[in-house]
Amino acid sequence: AQTVTQSQPEMSVQEAETVTLSCTYDTSESDYYLFWYKQPPSRQMILVIRQEAYKQQNATENRFSVNFQKAAKSFSLKISDSQLGDAAMYFCAYRTPQGGSEKLVFGKGTKLTVNP
Amino acid sequence: GAVVSQHPSWVICKSGTSVKIECRSLDFQATTMFWYRQFPKQSLMLMATSNEGSKATYEQGVEKDKFLINHASLTLSTLTVTSAHPEDSSFYICSARDASRQETQYFGPGTRLLVL
Repeated sequence: AQTVTQSQPEMSVQEAETVTLSCTYDTSESDYYLFWYKQPPSRQMILVIRQEAYKQQNATENRFSVNFQKAAKSFSLKISDSQLGDAAMYFCAYRTPQGGSEKLVFGKGTKLTVNP
Repeated sequence: GAVVSQHPSWVICKSGTSVKIECRSLDFQATTMFWYRQFPKQSLMLMATSNEGSKATYEQGVEKDKFLINHASLTLSTLTVTSAHPEDSSFYICSARDASRQETQYFGPGTRLLVL
């Protein structure tokens, strides 16, 4: 079974600085999707960024980028120019491709604090 | 786009009563919806996968007779917690898969259930 591990229960960053959240996963599949979701205090899950395993290029979305290392099964999230609104729980998630289980497997999350 | 709503956002009920939670995809069709449960400071736990027009697929350990799921249309899935007990108090989140948007799941805002 696929598993997702987030080894950092909590992280903190100064406003305007850069922070990297770690995520590793275990799978025997060669094709899959990886996601980072953000859950602010409102508890609304918000998609931050997504990566298809077959794409070598790392996904980016404005201040958010990933470092996808397929061989190492690593999928870290880098937040640049951190803002107070970035404070939230961040969940890494894995999903098998179409035709397989559509379930998302979540890590336990990393709580990010942004200090002014 | 890709908005998912849940109703109600908050519900308090007496032990032994049933509670229905609705999940709607507002601007897309969702052949598949998912129901999650989240305890405080924990990750999301998948309860069941709901497919339009067919029976839901429940995760191991989830009582299908207690958590009734109906997915009667491409935009609506309901979760009914039957004979609720205090241990059913939790945060319930639904998500919907938009096949036209690269297989990504979009989440509703969640429903807080408190059983007295």
